[in-house]
Amino acid sequence: KAGVTQTPRYLIKTRGQQVTLSCSPISGHRSVSWYQQTPGQGLQFLFEYFSETQRNKGNFPGRFSGRQFSNSRSEMNVSTLELGDSALYLCASSDISGSEKLFFGSGTQLSVL
Amino acid sequence: QKEVEQDPGPLSVPEGAIVSLNCTYSNSAFQYFMWYRQYSRKGPELLMYTYSSGNKEDGRFTAQVDKSSKYISLFIRDSQPSDSATYLCAITGSSNTGKLIFGQGTTLQVKP
Repeated sequence: KAGVTQTPRYLIKTRGQQVTLSCSPISGHRSVSWYQQTPGQGLQFLFEYFSETQRNKGNFPGRFSGRQFSNSRSEMNVSTLELGDSALYLCASSDISGSEKLFFGSGTQLSVL
Repeated sequence: QKEVEQDPGPLSVPEGAIVSLNCTYSNSAFQYFMWYRQYSRKGPELLMYTYSSGNKEDGRFTAQVDKSSKYISLFIRDSQPSDSATYLCAITGSSNTGKLIFGQGTTLQVKP
């Protein structure tokens, strides 16, 4: 069974631009969560989607948004990028909403210059 | 005060040593306790999962939860160079929000 796939693997953007990250969950998994990982703050929860609905949201500004499609694939968008948005963005899937047992992808490393 | 505190290390031990990794947390409502392992350039993978208090053993790994002290531990016996990774504790409450609260992670190096 294929794991969680995130694309692209690396991204370089400049301040003020926007970016879209993609995540394909494990086949059969309907829940997708997004996390931001930085050396200073560690892993922080962004949001969770289940059956195309956002179920939970972390404490991030509205510049961070996401969506989920009917095939469970998910995208995350960050608008008006700031230097502090440089991070590893991790997507995780699970078979049920709110599960503690998450399966993570390898992440998208975003650098904002 | 952070909800979960974890010593970032790094921790360096010789092969075969017993490793002890620890986290403390502040909210007594937390019910689910996990340990994830993250190799360089990879996402975290679930290593151990414990509900409420007690011990759980899986091969060389033992997870302990002491809710009275708000303290969780991961022990690795007979450590191997392949155990070299960052270990993250993660905690969540009983409301099944899907939001895991992670510790900072402890970087472990096991030297041959």
